[in-house]
Amino acid sequence: DTAVSQTPKYLVTQMGNDKSIKCEQNLGHDTMYWYKQDSKKFLKIMFSYNNKELIINETVPNRFSPKSPDKAHLNLHINSLELGDSAVYFCASSQDNAQYFGPGTRLTVL
Amino acid sequence: GENVEQHPSTLSVQEGDSAVIKCTYSDSASNYFPWYKQELGKRPQLIIDIRSNVGEKKDQRIAVTLNKTAKHFSLHITETQPEDSAVYFCAASTRDDKIIFGKGTRLHILP
Repeated sequence: DTAVSQTPKYLVTQMGNDKSIKCEQNLGHDTMYWYKQDSKKFLKIMFSYNNKELIINETVPNRFSPKSPDKAHLNLHINSLELGDSAVYFCASSQDNAQYFGPGTRLTVL
Repeated sequence: GENVEQHPSTLSVQEGDSAVIKCTYSDSASNYFPWYKQELGKRPQLIIDIRSNVGEKKDQRIAVTLNKTAKHFSLHITETQPEDSAVYFCAASTRDDKIIFGKGTRLHILP
């Protein structure tokens, strides 16, 4: 009974392609996030949604577009993938600050 | 801007000894301080958290302390075991409801 799930777990693609990552949480939380973890393990917030509304948008290229169809889902679409986009992307959800992470999607851009 | 500094970046301790990881934060409005453990290839998992109205919190072998005046907080792990080996992240909330993470501490428990 996974609380925060992401698909796919691994994504290998060519530079210039467009790809999407999906996230779902069944915890009933109002807030969801996307984080990027680079090869040095730094965890950096990208976006945050509260009840389907964008509330945090860090300095992320326009090629990244989040979408929240409902408060249990937050997807991330990436256009024109670049080598530097290779990383592990974590979705998370939270209630009262405590954040619960999904299993991560390892994106490799060739 | 908001910042969370974490030290050390790597820590090796003998099994059975204690480990201490320290963090400082810059935003005086921070009021929530979680700690996450990330094992190799896995997701970060919340192991303990503390709010600004409390100075110390303990859960079995792990404890956190918070000094709001000095803007620093620490994680203490006692009687370390091999399964404690992982990367540990401290974090602090900000006035605009973000969570800012430290850069992580890689903890090695030596047999």
